[in-house]
Amino acid sequence: SQQGEEDPQALSIQEGENATMNCSYKTSINNLQWYRQNSGRGLVHLILIRSNEREKHSGRLRVTLDTSKKSSSLLITASRAADTASYFCATARMDSGNTPLVFGKGTRLSVIA
Amino acid sequence: ETGVTQSPTHLIKTRGQQVTLRCSSQSGHNTVSWYQQALGQGPQFIFQYYREEENGRGNFPPRFSGLQFPNYSSELNVNALELDDSALYLCASSFGGWVSNQPQHFGDGTRLSIL
Repeated sequence: SQQGEEDPQALSIQEGENATMNCSYKTSINNLQWYRQNSGRGLVHLILIRSNEREKHSGRLRVTLDTSKKSSSLLITASRAADTASYFCATARMDSGNTPLVFGKGTRLSVIA
Repeated sequence: ETGVTQSPTHLIKTRGQQVTLRCSSQSGHNTVSWYQQALGQGPQFIFQYYREEENGRGNFPPRFSGLQFPNYSSELNVNALELDDSALYLCASSFGGWVSNQPQHFGDGTRLSIL
């Protein structure tokens, strides 16, 4: 089952614009991770944000986490054509014992030069 | 630093056959997870291996099985292939047991097509 659901499913923007993707989830989490996947390739880890954190930055990426709303957002600033990819959120449930990462269906981002 | 490598990159099989996919983990990593990614979907967790033992499994039938070797490389075996098994199979490695508290390092996957 997929806990995280990204929104929108697809996004098309012009180079230089900002891109915002959202992720909603259902259960309490230990952490939430964002990954990027270029067409035909594996996933690349972008950012991990823990449940006690509200915001993290990495270069042009900014991730926020609102545990009260069970949602997260990924902002890519000053987008480039090379940012064209699918973006996935993955959640780690807060259960006793170990739980696997659960991925959403992803947002397909197209950045037009 | 050597990344995660998977082989083969593409594979075509027919229903009922068996397949073995291989993964070499990133150097320094001792934990391997396998995922199935259908077209247009996110990856679905199959199982994880740590210190040569399966220590977590998703909602996949027993015909999906695996191995981890002393060098931490891993195999995914699928018996009695079905059409719905057509997907991209991804391997991810990390260090220290359960995967959910740290970033996963993925290979580029094996594209399996069932005819």
